[in-house]
Amino acid sequence: DVKVTQSSRYLVKRTGEKVFLECVQDMDHENMFWYRQDPGLGLRLIYFSYDVKMKEKGDIPEGYSVSREKKERFSLILESASTNQTSMYLCASSYRGLNTEAFFGQGTRLTVV
Amino acid sequence: DQQVKQNSPSLSVQEGRISILNCDYTNSMFDYFLWYKKYPAEGPTFLISISSIKDKNEDGRFTVFLNKSAKHLSLHIVPSQPGDSAVYFCAASASFRSQGGSEKLVFGKGTKLTVNP
Repeated sequence: DVKVTQSSRYLVKRTGEKVFLECVQDMDHENMFWYRQDPGLGLRLIYFSYDVKMKEKGDIPEGYSVSREKKERFSLILESASTNQTSMYLCASSYRGLNTEAFFGQGTRLTVV
Repeated sequence: DQQVKQNSPSLSVQEGRISILNCDYTNSMFDYFLWYKKYPAEGPTFLISISSIKDKNEDGRFTVFLNKSAKHLSLHIVPSQPGDSAVYFCAASASFRSQGGSEKLVFGKGTKLTVNP
C-alpha cells in the first residue's frame, strides 16, 4: 500500500519561529511536492523536487524553502513563520514520467499565532 | 492567471441522483487530467483520470468526460451517495522538465459536493 507520511497532523507555532514540516514517502518516487490548501483558493504549489538535492519554485514560494537530502524525504521550511502562513500543508509524491498521478499525505494543519 | 477553473464552489444533490462536477482549463498543453476527492482534515485521494487521447473514462459510479475543443471536462457520479460528500478537485498535468517528462499537477479551487439522504 502506497504511503506518504507527514510528521504532524496539527501544529501550533509562534510568529517568527522557524518551522520544519517533514514528509516521507515509501514508493521510491522521484518527484515530491509541497502544496498549501486555503478556503476558496484550492491547492497551490509551493515547491517541488524531481530528484535528490534538486528543487524548483512553485507558484507561491515566498517565505518558504525546502530540502531534499534523501530520495524519500522532502522537508518544507518556514524561515520565519507569519500568521498568513496559517494553512493546511499537503505533501505529495509521484513517479517521473508522463501521465502519472500524485499521492498525497494526510496533511498538516499549521496555525501561526 | 488561473489555468484550471472550477466555477461552482458548491453543489448539492439528492441521494441516488446524478452529480455533475465541471472543470475548464486554458492551457492547451495540458494532456492528462485527474479528479481528486478530499475529506476535511485529510489529504486528497485520487479518484479517476483521463488522457487527452480519450473523451471518456469510466470507473464504477464515476465517469469523466473530456471535450478538448471546449477545454472542458466533467465528472459524473451515478448514483450519488452520502459518502460522496467531499470537496472535489480537478487537476491537469503540465511538464516541468524538458528531459524525463516529469510533471506537476495544477489544481482548480475545488467544488464542495453535498449529497443529501
